[in-house]
Amino acid sequence: GQQVMQIPQYQHVQEGEDFTTYCNSSTTLSNIQWYKQRPGGHPVFLIQLVKSGEVKKQKRLTFQFGEAKKNSSLHITATQTTDVGTYFCAGEGENSGGSNYKLTFGKGTLLTVNP
Amino acid sequence: NAGVTQTPKFHILKTGQSMTLQCAQDMNHGYLSWYRQDPGMGLRRIHYSVAAGITDKGEVPDGYNVSRSNTEDFPLRLESAAPSQTSVYFCAMKRLAQALKGDEQFFGPGTRLTVL
Repeated sequence: GQQVMQIPQYQHVQEGEDFTTYCNSSTTLSNIQWYKQRPGGHPVFLIQLVKSGEVKKQKRLTFQFGEAKKNSSLHITATQTTDVGTYFCAGEGENSGGSNYKLTFGKGTLLTVNP
Repeated sequence: NAGVTQTPKFHILKTGQSMTLQCAQDMNHGYLSWYRQDPGMGLRRIHYSVAAGITDKGEVPDGYNVSRSNTEDFPLRLESAAPSQTSVYFCAMKRLAQALKGDEQFFGPGTRLTVL
């Protein structure tokens, strides 16, 4: 079955440093989604990437989707304490849709920021 | 939580007891999923439904049943709870293609379930 691996599992940074988390799928994806979950909270949708090689930005966050549509990354520039949380990627399989809705989450990267 | 509600927020069960976790959405969207979240395991999908009357198994369906009699509600039933089902359960609704963000999945606030 489809597997989505995410690294690193944990990352601790000093405030102001950059942070990157990587996501790799065992199969080609139709799209990939990114979520953020604060401690004790629920996952919150950040973005969806659909096109091969796509890059999207949200303020200090940059999301990339690989050319082969099997890997993705999330980069945060100049981290702040408000960035603390777990970042998840979720890959939707090809031919997913209708009653065949395939979505697999990575295990997440926990980001902690030292002020 | 963009129209996804879950009840209860917390619950403690004894092994062998049954329980139904409630999920409701008020945005008239078809795709609903149940996930469980365990430390070190991330989010794993239990069951999902693309429309009323249609349900399918996710990654970890054993020990759980679902039904979808209407668009709004998607209850998750534990017929005979086991300690391995101690987890945080999230219901999520998928909303299709909104402007620049794309398809968006909204999660409910979660139910923290302990099985003793």
